[in-house]
Amino acid sequence: NAGVTQTPKFRILKIGQSMTLQCTQDMNHNYMYWYRQDPGMGLKLIYYSVGAGITDKGEVPNGYNVSRSTTEDFPLRLELAAPSQTSVYFCASTGWSTDTQYFGPGTRLTVL
Amino acid sequence: KNEVEQSPQNLTAQEGEFITINCSYSVGISALHWLQQHPGGGIVSLFMLSSGKKKHGRLIATINIQEKHSSLHITASHPRDSAVYICAVKYDMRFGAGTRLTVKP
Repeated sequence: NAGVTQTPKFRILKIGQSMTLQCTQDMNHNYMYWYRQDPGMGLKLIYYSVGAGITDKGEVPNGYNVSRSTTEDFPLRLELAAPSQTSVYFCASTGWSTDTQYFGPGTRLTVL
Repeated sequence: KNEVEQSPQNLTAQEGEFITINCSYSVGISALHWLQQHPGGGIVSLFMLSSGKKKHGRLIATINIQEKHSSLHITASHPRDSAVYICAVKYDMRFGAGTRLTVKP
């Protein structure tokens, strides 16, 4: 199993540009999460999903959108990038039969 | 005030020492996670607790639901334990700011 994969690893955006951060898991997990980690700060939940077709907002959803059309994929969309969205983004997943959250390697995004 | 507070923020220990990291929370939760973030940035889940105590190797995690407090203990610490340890509560997944542990040989 590859676990949780994220692409890209790094990206620099200009203010106002859009992009999609990709997240895929191959463990058939129901739950998937998107977090951001600002320098020197704790992780914050952006959006989560409890299954295909079901998504919900976390603590900091503004400026982001998600979709969950399949169990495996949970892309995060930034429509109009702002410098405040400069952060490291982590995707994670967990399933009914495990206590463990599996994290992807992260995407480092800089908005200039 | 943050819903999840960790202490200490930074901790330096000598190899072999017993380490305790604390996590207090102010919201009702269904479970609490302890995570380890390596110096390279990768995050690994260590424990999920909803009551009592769990042990994995040299790591022990306890939780007191009434006192809204959890501790992570590392016995016989080793330089490879150097990392940021993060607690997170399963109330919309709120995270502490992390405790940076450095274990010196």
